Amino acid sequence: NAGVTQTPKFQVLKTGQSMTLQCAQDMNHEYMSWYRQDPGMGLRLIHYSVGAGITDQGEVPNGYNVSRSTTEDFPLRLLSAAPSQTSVYFCASTRTRATDTQYFGPGTRLTVL
Amino acid sequence: GENVEQHPSTLSVQEGDSAVIKCTYSDSASNYFPWYKQELGKRPQLIIDIRSNVGEKKDQRIAVTLNKTAKHFSLHITETQPEDSAVYFCAAKGGGGSYIPTFGRGTSLIVHP
Repeated sequence: NAGVTQTPKFQVLKTGQSMTLQCAQDMNHEYMSWYRQDPGMGLRLIHYSVGAGITDQGEVPNGYNVSRSTTEDFPLRLLSAAPSQTSVYFCASTRTRATDTQYFGPGTRLTVL
Repeated sequence: GENVEQHPSTLSVQEGDSAVIKCTYSDSASNYFPWYKQELGKRPQLIIDIRSNVGEKKDQRIAVTLNKTAKHFSLHITETQPEDSAVYFCAAKGGGGSYIPTFGRGTSLIVHP
């Protein structure tokens, strides 16, 4: 199994541009989530999904959209990039139960100029 | 929602010393407490976890303790080594049907040779 994969690894955008960060998992996990990591702020939840067709907002959802059309994929869309969205983005997945291990992807480092 | 506080933000120790990182949580319904280690430029990875029906768990040089009454849990690393240097995150989840953990802000552990 490849586990959780993310593309791209690095991305530079100009203010106002849009883009999609890709996330996929091949473990048949039900739960998937997106976090952003900023220095001193830990991991903050952006959006999450408890199954195909179901998504919900996390702590910092503004400026981001998600969809979950399949169990495997959970893309994160930046609608109009802003410098405040410069961050490292991690996708994660969990099998089913509340006490299952959460697996993280390798991350995408995004810079918005 | 759940709130997780983590202390200290930075911890510097000499090789061979012990290190202790403490976290408190707010939701008494939380029942799963994982700890993640994140090396520089890498993804967070689970190192140990504890469930609410257990007071302590050990795995070689690392251990976690949980005090449900006081709503706090701690990570203990004994005989620290330079390769233990990383950022450590605590998390809590499971309360109220939530399957997405809430993370602390992280502790940067530096082990000096």
